[in-house]
Amino acid sequence: DIQMTQSPSSLPASLGDRVTITCRASQDIGNYLRWFQQKPGKSPRLMIYGATNLAAGVPSRFSGSRSGSDYSLTISSLESEDMADYYCLQSKESPLTFGSGTKLEIK
Amino acid sequence: EVQVLESGGGLVQPGNSLKLSCATSGFTLSTAWMYWYRQFPEKRLEWVARIKAKSNNYATDYTESVKGRFTISRDDSKGSIYLQMDNLKEEDTAIYYCSCYYSGPIDFWGPGTMVTVSS
Repeated sequence: DIQMTQSPSSLPASLGDRVTITCRASQDIGNYLRWFQQKPGKSPRLMIYGATNLAAGVPSRFSGSRSGSDYSLTISSLESEDMADYYCLQSKESPLTFGSGTKLEIK
Repeated sequence: EVQVLESGGGLVQPGNSLKLSCATSGFTLSTAWMYWYRQFPEKRLEWVARIKAKSNNYATDYTESVKGRFTISRDDSKGSIYLQMDNLKEEDTAIYYCSCYYSGPIDFWGPGTMVTVSS
């Protein structure tokens, strides 16, 4: 199975900060990487697909990038509504696997 | 508007069965790949099962821990997806989410249904 190592597990940050969350894939997954946002009591929401593409309705302060087997989600200027859990998901091959999650919280 | 709504969760004893349903609307189900995911109490997410579209012969696959116990199915005419869960174990306790994935791409999850396996 492909392992997705996500870091950090917790990220305290201030409003207006630029923040980056990373997932490292244990095998080649190409660009079959999605990022999800989950707020308390809600289901996950697709933010990024194909590693770098913004999903419909997602603010432009979110972006995705890839460097080799490292995939990153960046928020250019943190807003209060961005405080949530974030997960990566590889869909290159079955079984699909998630990262362990990052809790983004106010410092 | 895309809608996905799970139902059928509840409290069940180990070894028993439960069937989850997922009602969909707002998109052409026959062209969508449908997924079940689950989220454990500690918030870890896990993919459970997938059923592809008619054009992919409704192919299915499962995470290893549920193979032989869970069965995913679909009825496009009713706009519904199902997850038959047999021989449930305490470690299956989780929120179960149904998700649709189709060109766009759209990857939309329902609000989830809680399954608790406990004696």
